[in-house]
Amino acid sequence: GEKVEQHESTLSVREGDSAVINCTYTDTASSYFPWYKQEAGKSLHFVIDIRSNVDRKQSQRLIVLLDKKAKRFSLHITATQPEDSAIYFCAASYNQGKLIFGQGTKLSIKP
Amino acid sequence: NAGVIQTPRHKVTGKGQEATLWCEPISGHSAVFWYRQTIVQGLEFLTYFRNQAPIDDSGMPKERFSAQMPNQSHSTLKIQSTQPQDSAVYLCASSLWGDTEVFFGKGTRLTVV
Repeated sequence: GEKVEQHESTLSVREGDSAVINCTYTDTASSYFPWYKQEAGKSLHFVIDIRSNVDRKQSQRLIVLLDKKAKRFSLHITATQPEDSAIYFCAASYNQGKLIFGQGTKLSIKP
Repeated sequence: NAGVIQTPRHKVTGKGQEATLWCEPISGHSAVFWYRQTIVQGLEFLTYFRNQAPIDDSGMPKERFSAQMPNQSHSTLKIQSTQPQDSAVYLCASSLWGDTEVFFGKGTRLTVV
């Protein structure tokens, strides 16, 4: 079955800098790649997604890149702010099915 | 829109007892998912329904776990003979259909003592 690897378990960046979180997946049939944010003690909250028919998507300070050949996708958070501190999860799904999640990246924004 | 509602928020059971977790998906959503979250295993898929029909239960431990969706407004996850390793946060989620934004509930924290 599909496996999603999230490469950075922790990431610390200075406020205002960019943060990049990388994920790889194994199933070439995967076609939908969302990202979720989880703040301390809270549930998962959707932040952005990308589908396999495009290789880049931007929503305000968030950019998602998808490289289907390498089976890799990444989340770029530009101009980071303290409220960006959280655990970020990448996920993949295919055939409108279940989401398979990466292990999560704990992002800390330093003042 | 109250979002995905999960009850109870916290549940403590004794080893060997049964636990039933409830989920009310967002009205109009056709896909309902159950996940389990632990520090060690992360987010594990358990099962999902589409239009109340079970589609994929490949993540469910076969012997003691079962899930049902008797109507479009609620789903249950039942764990029989609970064991300490079942302790986790159980998350229910729903979406309009596949490959669209999935909305998660706040979870039920199950503790087996």
